[in-house]
Amino acid sequence: QVQLQESGPGLVKPSQTLSLTCTVSGASISSDDYHWSWIRQYPGKGLEWIGAIHYNGWTYYNPSLKSRVTISVDTSKNQFSLNVNSVTAADTAVYSCARGGERGYSYWGQGMLVTVSS
Amino acid sequence: DIQMTQSPSSLSASVGDRVTITCRATQGIRNDLGWYQQKPGKAPKRLIYAASSLQNGVPSRFSGSGSGTEFTLTISSLQPEDFASYYCLQYNSFPRTFGQGTKVEIK
Repeated sequence: QVQLQESGPGLVKPSQTLSLTCTVSGASISSDDYHWSWIRQYPGKGLEWIGAIHYNGWTYYNPSLKSRVTISVDTSKNQFSLNVNSVTAADTAVYSCARGGERGYSYWGQGMLVTVSS
Repeated sequence: DIQMTQSPSSLSASVGDRVTITCRATQGIRNDLGWYQQKPGKAPKRLIYAASSLQNGVPSRFSGSGSGTEFTLTISSLQPEDFASYYCLQYNSFPRTFGQGTKVEIK
């Protein structure tokens, strides 16, 4: 059974960097068939796609966030990570990781609330 | 970027009602569209992929249709466990984009 689990600080100060890690179990992150994404959801609102990475290093970021976002992968740990720099209160959201393939997103993490506040 | 316009944003319905939700893409996406159900505090659950293919384990009262730019999710007979939010997702191109969501509430 494929499982994804987000981890990281739940509280980040304004202007600092939000850093989260997604640990994948039950599947290898080094699969040619899948990419690995971060998606966020504002409280009570819709879903925003942040970006994606393939184990070979390919990345794609949402143009609206591209200047502040970096996604990286650690195949030895079967993990991928998200960094969002210069955060503001507008970055407060539930952050989720998910596995993407030719049929969209089949497996998601449970999501993690990150609050930006001093 | 491909924008997905989903309607309605919310609806009230009774158990047993037929419910239809629509997504429209700003450009053709073939059938590269999925529908997701989300309940409070939970991750989205995929119901439909490839516009009309039912995910394993999903009840047959859920169905999807459409191709190109117009897509529909239909719940043929609404059940108590179906009260939730629903989202469409296009995966034809990057960046992936979601519809704004439809909240299905009890009338």
